[in-house]
Amino acid sequence: GAGVSQSPRYKVAKRGQDVALRCDPISGHVSLFWYQQALGQGPEFLTYFQNEAQLDKSGLPSDRFFAERPEGSVSTLKIQRTQQEDSAVYLCASSLNEGRVETQYFGPGTRLLVL
Amino acid sequence: DQQVKQNSPSLSVQEGRISILNCDYTNSMFDYFLWYKKYPAEGPTFLISISSIKDKNEDGRFTVFLNKSAKHLSLHIVPSQPGDSAVYFCAASDGANSKLTFGKGITLSVRP
Repeated sequence: GAGVSQSPRYKVAKRGQDVALRCDPISGHVSLFWYQQALGQGPEFLTYFQNEAQLDKSGLPSDRFFAERPEGSVSTLKIQRTQQEDSAVYLCASSLNEGRVETQYFGPGTRLLVL
Repeated sequence: DQQVKQNSPSLSVQEGRISILNCDYTNSMFDYFLWYKKYPAEGPTFLISISSIKDKNEDGRFTVFLNKSAKHLSLHIVPSQPGDSAVYFCAASDGANSKLTFGKGITLSVRP
């Protein structure tokens, strides 16, 4: 595909359940970012990968959040023991170059609702 | 503490007129600024960017102005079209790992 894709588009979880969100970046893009967007807010940075290396995870709100990109392409954001405050849209973005400031291209997001 | 501020939550303009969307920032380390447009149920779409070494960047109907001394940037859309109706986010980067810091967004409505 031409753009960043994310799956699932919508996820409803019961509090305490584990969820896994997938991101397929644009082919060839080295950098991959995860953002969390709460209702009425702008996206907030969670974590950043350069190829398979997770270079910055300072935005992850707790140790229940874990992200990986084992082969430097597809990435998975996992949330363990989900809480109601985890309800948000999770956005993935990719950019071409390593670590430089580049335009980030966003996927459609996964809307997570924790009941 | 919001480092990127979009203080007006909404703006309504007449089709054909100019739309001016404002953004302020507090972090003097920011050196690259971007505007994104977002439709409901879609991800943000890149519109235009500007480096801190410039004070203006133009792309078709869209122009971004940067005033570093005031830590202020603005997006001008001329002429505005109904299809421009969306939420617009201002974002900034300090270059380190290039993560973006976003404002809360402004909802633009262009009336036919």
